[in-house]
Amino acid sequence: RKEVEQDPGPFNVPEGATVAFNCTYSNSASQSFFWYRQDCRKEPKLLMSVYSSGNEDGRFTAQLNRASQYISLLIRDSKLSDSATYLCVVTPPTGRRALTFGSGTRLQVQP
Amino acid sequence: NAGVTQTPKFQVLKTGQSMTLQCAQDMNHEYMSWYRQDPGMGLRLIHYSVGAGITDQGEVPNGYNVSRSTTEDFPLRLLSAAPSQTSVYFCASRPTGDHEQYFGPGTRLTVT
Repeated sequence: RKEVEQDPGPFNVPEGATVAFNCTYSNSASQSFFWYRQDCRKEPKLLMSVYSSGNEDGRFTAQLNRASQYISLLIRDSKLSDSATYLCVVTPPTGRRALTFGSGTRLQVQP
Repeated sequence: NAGVTQTPKFQVLKTGQSMTLQCAQDMNHEYMSWYRQDPGMGLRLIHYSVGAGITDQGEVPNGYNVSRSTTEDFPLRLLSAAPSQTSVYFCASRPTGDHEQYFGPGTRLTVT
């Protein structure tokens, strides 16, 4: 089983739609969680961290469910500029501290 | 700050050739990593370093060597290039603790 799993998509949604992505992780001792965004042929960039209490940044909301070992990203009022691949990222327990990336979920927002 | 820089941006190698991908960061970050990204595969960790003089293997280390003689530099060496190493290579760095990881712009490598 992969350490971090995501639905690859693509998710094709119209402008203004609400879309949600889930990501599951296998190591219950994982410590920190992030969502990164990657545009085509570009480097990944941090979108937002995911906190236990959930957090919101404008149209984006991230949630963590430790009991079920998944994190989610909700995008409201989708814009054309939201079209990208969204990568789920997990920090493993202490010892080996390299981040583990999911393979990404592709979002295409259509006019 | 230049952030994370990588050279070259593009490279074509013949099978069996060796080369070094350069990575440097000017943010005084302790952690540095090398990833490769193939279509549909996501980012896979090749090697990483938690500080100068310390390196460790990631998920796909075979065929690659790294060294970390300074905090700033983390070069990735391909020992004998193979077509299976055709990929986009990203170098990244981050400070100690659970902080944002910064990526370089990537090196697109083709091995023929």
